[in-house]
Amino acid sequence: EFVLTQSPATLSVSPGETATLSCKASESIGNNLVWYQQKPGQPPRLLVSGGSARAAGIPARFSGSRSGREFTLTISGLQSEDFAMYFCHQHNFSPRSFGQGTKVE
Amino acid sequence: QVRLVQSGPDVRRPGASVNVSCKTSGYSFTSGGISWVRQAPGQGLEWMGWIHVTNGATVYAPKFQGRLTLTRETSTTTVFMELKSLRVDDSAVYYCARDGDSPLDHWGQGTLVSVSS
Repeated sequence: EFVLTQSPATLSVSPGETATLSCKASESIGNNLVWYQQKPGQPPRLLVSGGSARAAGIPARFSGSRSGREFTLTISGLQSEDFAMYFCHQHNFSPRSFGQGTKVE
Repeated sequence: QVRLVQSGPDVRRPGASVNVSCKTSGYSFTSGGISWVRQAPGQGLEWMGWIHVTNGATVYAPKFQGRLTLTRETSTTTVFMELKSLRVDDSAVYYCARDGDSPLDHWGQGTLVSVSS
């Protein structure tokens, strides 16, 4: 059974610092991984697709990378509006699936 | 701009069915598909299924096979989700999201479905 493991569950950082979020796939999914940001009471917002391509309108401080089966979302110079939940999502296998989420606080 | 507008909140009894609609606009409806994702209170995201809006082909997560039906109405650019045999643990916010230039690149506002006796 395919598993997408997101870590850490909670990340405590200060404004201006860098946050590094991880998402590891149990099997190879190529670059078929997407990152979303979600704030309370709102739907998720697309940040990065194809492992590293920022979506339209997403600030350059958000960057995605991949090393084998491990994907990383880096938020450089955290701003107050970046404190939120972040989810990764794989669309390589069916059923598609999400990581458990990382709360950046 | 791309918009997905969902129907309003609903309250159902266990064993009943719920229908949620997702009205799309601002793009060519027949390009791509629509996924449905749900989120239980305080929990993560769960992908439920997908419909190809051009030919109506569907893919359902095994967990929902037999209970979930996705349909579309091209004349009104609307997609529908029906979930049957509701249980209390089906209480969640249900989202539709477009699979366009990128997976789930635009989302509806969410529809709260509460299942309670």
